[in-house]
Amino acid sequence: AAGVIQSPRHLIKEKRETATLKCYPIPRHDTVYWYQQGPGQDPQFLISFYEKMQSDKGSIPDRFSAQQFSDYHSELNMSSLELGDSALYFCASSIPGGTYNEQFFGPGTRLTVL
Amino acid sequence: GNSVTQMEGPVTLSEEAFLTINCTYTATGYPSLFWYVQYPGEGLQLLLKATKADDKGSNKGFEATYRKETTSFHLEKGSVQVSDSAVYFCALRGANDYKLSFGAGTTVTVRA
Repeated sequence: AAGVIQSPRHLIKEKRETATLKCYPIPRHDTVYWYQQGPGQDPQFLISFYEKMQSDKGSIPDRFSAQQFSDYHSELNMSSLELGDSALYFCASSIPGGTYNEQFFGPGTRLTVL
Repeated sequence: GNSVTQMEGPVTLSEEAFLTINCTYTATGYPSLFWYVQYPGEGLQLLLKATKADDKGSNKGFEATYRKETTSFHLEKGSVQVSDSAVYFCALRGANDYKLSFGAGTTVTVRA
């Protein structure tokens, strides 16, 4: 079965650089969520989109922005990177209104900021 | 706001031992509850779920029962295997939310 695809899987950047993470949801899933998991920490919700509109916002820094495109893929743009941005970034997708709105997670993008 | 408190690890067990990971939550209304598992170097996989009080989620020998009276969703497995070594996250989705709130995660290591 098709799963959530994230690219790149690994990314190394320098401080103050920018990064773009991409997420391709499962076909027919129109809701995308982004989570950040720091080393040894639990995933923290960043932002979500439903039908290309932002549906919820969590602890996302102002330096980050995201959007969902017409084909439902999403991109997380990160600027002025800081050492503390080093983390595993997960994307998840779901069909809203499902019985329990299960979120299917991608494998994550590991971002290392040097 | 919504929050999840999870038993701290790490937990080390021998094969065929009984595993329990405690999870309690704080939420308004009737949240949905989940257990996710993260194997080394991999993403999060849904292990089991429960959407209303007294529901029991089960999968791969793991079970958890949604207890509203104690606001708990403890994970149990009667006989663990080495392949169960992973990090386990308890999570909830609020009644009016779509985002998940996770517990801190419990690292489980099963030794042969």
